[in-house]
Amino acid sequence: EIVLTQSPATLSLSPGESATLSCRASQSVSSYLAWYQQKPGQAPRLLIYDASNRATGIPARFSGSGSGTDFSLTISSLEPEDFAVYYCQQRKDGPPWTFGQGTKVEIK
Amino acid sequence: QLQLQESGPGLVKPSEALSLTCTVSGGSISNTNYYWAWIRQPPGKGLEWIGTIYYSGTTYYTSSLESRVTISIDTPKNQFSLRLTSVTAADTAVYYCARHRASVVLPARRPTYFDYWGQGTLVTVSS
Repeated sequence: EIVLTQSPATLSLSPGESATLSCRASQSVSSYLAWYQQKPGQAPRLLIYDASNRATGIPARFSGSGSGTDFSLTISSLEPEDFAVYYCQQRKDGPPWTFGQGTKVEIK
Repeated sequence: QLQLQESGPGLVKPSEALSLTCTVSGGSISNTNYYWAWIRQPPGKGLEWIGTIYYSGTTYYTSSLESRVTISIDTPKNQFSLRLTSVTAADTAVYYCARHRASVVLPARRPTYFDYWGQGTLVTVSS
C-alpha cells in the first residue's frame, strides 16, 4: 500500500499570500496524484489530477507539480474561500486508492 | 449536472449492519467511463476509501474492511449501495459516495480519481 504523507499539518497564512503544500509518497506514483479541497461541512472537491492538470472550473491560482514521490500544490494568492483542508490522493497503485492525512490552510 | 445523494439511517447499533444507498442523477451509472465509490471520514479525521464498483459488478474493497463490506449496484434504479456488517463505534463517520473516474488508457480502464461527490451522510454507531 502506498502511504502519502502531507506537510505541514497546518499552514497559517494571510489572504493574498502564496501557499505551498507538500505530499510525499512512500514509493513512486509517477504523475498519478490528485489534490482535493475540503471546506467545513462539505464534500471534498477535485482540484488537480495527474499532478498538474486543473479539474473543470478550478481557478488558475491553483497549480500542481511534481512526479515520482514528491508533489506540491501551490495557491498563488490566497482568496478567503481558499482556507480549507487539502488532501492528496494517488491512483498509481490501487486498490487501495489512498489519501494523505491532509493539510489545513488557516487564516493567520 | 451530475448529482449523487446518499440515503440511509443516521444511527446504527453496535454489532448491527450499516446500509446506505447512493442515488445518481444527471448521468447513467452504466457509463463505461466511470466506477462508483464509497469513502468515509471519521469526525475530525481524514478520508478513507472503502470500496469501488463498476456497472458490471466488479468490485474492489479496502483490505481492512473487506470481510465486513459489500458494495452492490442497481443499474435500472441508477443506484449503488454499501453494506457494512458488525459495526462498532470506530465505524462512526461521514460516508460519501463518489464517482470514480476510469482511466482513458486502454486496455485496463482502472479507477483513478473521485471527480463528483455526494454531500455525505453522518452515520453514528451507538446503542
